[in-house]
Amino acid sequence: AQTVTQSQPEMSVQEAETVTLSCTYDTSESDYYLFWYKQPPSRQMILVIRQEAYKQQNATENRFSVNFQKAAKSFSLKISDSQLGDAAMYFCAYRSVGGNKLVFGAGTILRVKS
Amino acid sequence: EPEVTQTPSHQVTQMGQEVILRCVPISNHLYFYWYRQILGQKVEFLVSFYNNEISEKSEIFDDQFSVERPDGSNFTLKIRSTKLEDSAMYFCASSEGFGDPRKETQYFGPGTRLLVL
Repeated sequence: AQTVTQSQPEMSVQEAETVTLSCTYDTSESDYYLFWYKQPPSRQMILVIRQEAYKQQNATENRFSVNFQKAAKSFSLKISDSQLGDAAMYFCAYRSVGGNKLVFGAGTILRVKS
Repeated sequence: EPEVTQTPSHQVTQMGQEVILRCVPISNHLYFYWYRQILGQKVEFLVSFYNNEISEKSEIFDDQFSVERPDGSNFTLKIRSTKLEDSAMYFCASSEGFGDPRKETQYFGPGTRLLVL
């Protein structure tokens, strides 16, 4: 069974600075998807970024980028130019290609200081 | 942008009562999911649903739980006889299909906070 680990329960960043959230996972599969979801205090879980395991290039979405290290089974999220609206719980998640379920990590609370 | 919606946002019920949680998935999505998050714990998969059938369920999804798509827009989760340990946030999600990453991406609703007393 796949597992996802987020070792940082909480992180803080100063507004306009950069922060990196860590995620590791365990799987025996060679093809899969990895996701970062953001859950602001209003509760709606929003997709931040997606990475396909067969792609070597790291995904980017505006200020959000990932560092995907397949051999190390690591998938970190970098947030550049942090904004107050980035404050949220961030979940790392894994899904098999063609599979049904997402497997989530425990989440990292990100606080942004002004 | 289309969103998954869920009602109610909060539900308080007595132990042993039945509850129905409702979800309206994104309109062109064909795959539907329920997840739950007990306070302080990970988000856990409960069930996936496609073509009016359960396609996968977790060990949490026992006989007390059922899902239904009663019409063309709603997707419901029923808990027949609630227990204290069913208290959690329940999230509905939907995805368009399979075959490419964009279609397989799941989009979540805001959740229903269920409290069983």
